[in-house]
Amino acid sequence: NAGVTQTPKFQVLKTGQSMTLQCAQDMNHNSMYWYRQDPGMGLRLIYYSASEGTTDKGEVPNGYNVSRLNKREFSLRLESAAPSQTSVYFCASTLAGPSYNEQFFGPGTRLTVL
Amino acid sequence: AQSVAQPEDQVNVAEGNPLTVKCTYSVSGNPYLFWYVQYPNRGLQFLLKYITGDNLVKGSYGFEAEFNKSQTSFHLKKPSALVSDSALYFCAVRDIGYSGYALNFGKGTSLLVTP
Repeated sequence: NAGVTQTPKFQVLKTGQSMTLQCAQDMNHNSMYWYRQDPGMGLRLIYYSASEGTTDKGEVPNGYNVSRLNKREFSLRLESAAPSQTSVYFCASTLAGPSYNEQFFGPGTRLTVL
Repeated sequence: AQSVAQPEDQVNVAEGNPLTVKCTYSVSGNPYLFWYVQYPNRGLQFLLKYITGDNLVKGSYGFEAEFNKSQTSFHLKKPSALVSDSALYFCAVRDIGYSGYALNFGKGTSLLVTP
């Protein structure tokens, strides 16, 4: 089991460029999430997908779009990158249900926007 | 909104001493609380969770957490700290505002264990 994988690990963009962050999980989880981590701010939810075919906004969705491609894959797209989107991005997944299973996190993508 | 607060940015402990990383919560209804650890340049790893039941929850790597409803706290503890415990620790609560069991994280506490 690879768990949650993310590509790329590092990326440098210029302001206005676009890119897609890829995330995949092989644990047959139904829910997937995108967070961003900034110093002193913890992790903030960008978007999530409670189940295949659904996506919803989190706390900080502006400037981002997502696609739940299938049960395994959940991508995050920056259409026109801004310096404020410089951050570390984490994808997570869980088997969501009444037992409140823990989320499993990928290794992160470190994004710099110049 | 469901939220957690970690009042300490950094905790310093000598190896072998007990450690406590503090977390308080603010929720409507029953709290579903989690602790995660992040080692440098890595993703978050689950340590333990409180859903219901015993107030003392045991988790990975010898960590435990004490749920205290009257003080609305969920402090992370370990009887004897190791240098390898040095990392960033996050408290989190399930946010019922989202349908997909998303979590609200605290800002994190950096734990430094010195030899």
